[in-house]
Amino acid sequence: EPEVTQTPSHQVTQMGQEVILRCVPISNHLYFYWYRQILGQKVEFLVSFYNNEISEKSEIFDDQFSVERPDGSNFTLKIRSTKLEDSAMYFCASRRDFDGEQFFGPGTRLTVL
Amino acid sequence: AQSVTQLGSHVSVSEGALVLLRCNYSSSVPPYLFWYVQYPNQGLQLLLKYTSAATLVKGINGFEAEFKKSETSFHLTKPSAHMSDAAEYFCAVSETGFQKLVFGTGTRLLVSP
Repeated sequence: EPEVTQTPSHQVTQMGQEVILRCVPISNHLYFYWYRQILGQKVEFLVSFYNNEISEKSEIFDDQFSVERPDGSNFTLKIRSTKLEDSAMYFCASRRDFDGEQFFGPGTRLTVL
Repeated sequence: AQSVTQLGSHVSVSEGALVLLRCNYSSSVPPYLFWYVQYPNQGLQLLLKYTSAATLVKGINGFEAEFKKSETSFHLTKPSAHMSDAAEYFCAVSETGFQKLVFGTGTRLLVSP
């Protein structure tokens, strides 16, 4: 069964460093998302991406964040200069149709020291 | 703006007992409603979804939920709990449109023998 994959499963970085979180969505999906979940809190929407551009972004998704689909298979989230409060589980999701189910990856746990 | 409220951060039941997880939503448009389950160290898995068809929705693993517009509720139920049901459950809402998910804070279901 097709699934969304994410790498790495756990990333530890120093404050101020750049990180890139990688996702491989399901191959025939067209809509892509990043969400995050700070420990003990709810899952929050970050950004959605369709047709090689951002469709919607939340207040959390400031200038420190960017997304890219560099090669037609990967979908990446970059944080330019990490802060302690960026420590969270980051989930990638993809969807095939405008009205279809979002499939979530297993997440990348980001720890900023 | 859409929102979801999940009453009870933790629910404890005995194996074989009824499971009831509560979710109330707020939406200015007819909502799409979802229940997701998250097992430890895993991503989010869709249990079921309501998309304006039947008000009683059946999902995987014996779960079902009923959409009640008058009560703005979408409670999740299962007649008989299994030990394997122990997990975190998230209710989510989205507009009939772009499908960004807005999650509730989650309810951890504990099942005792």
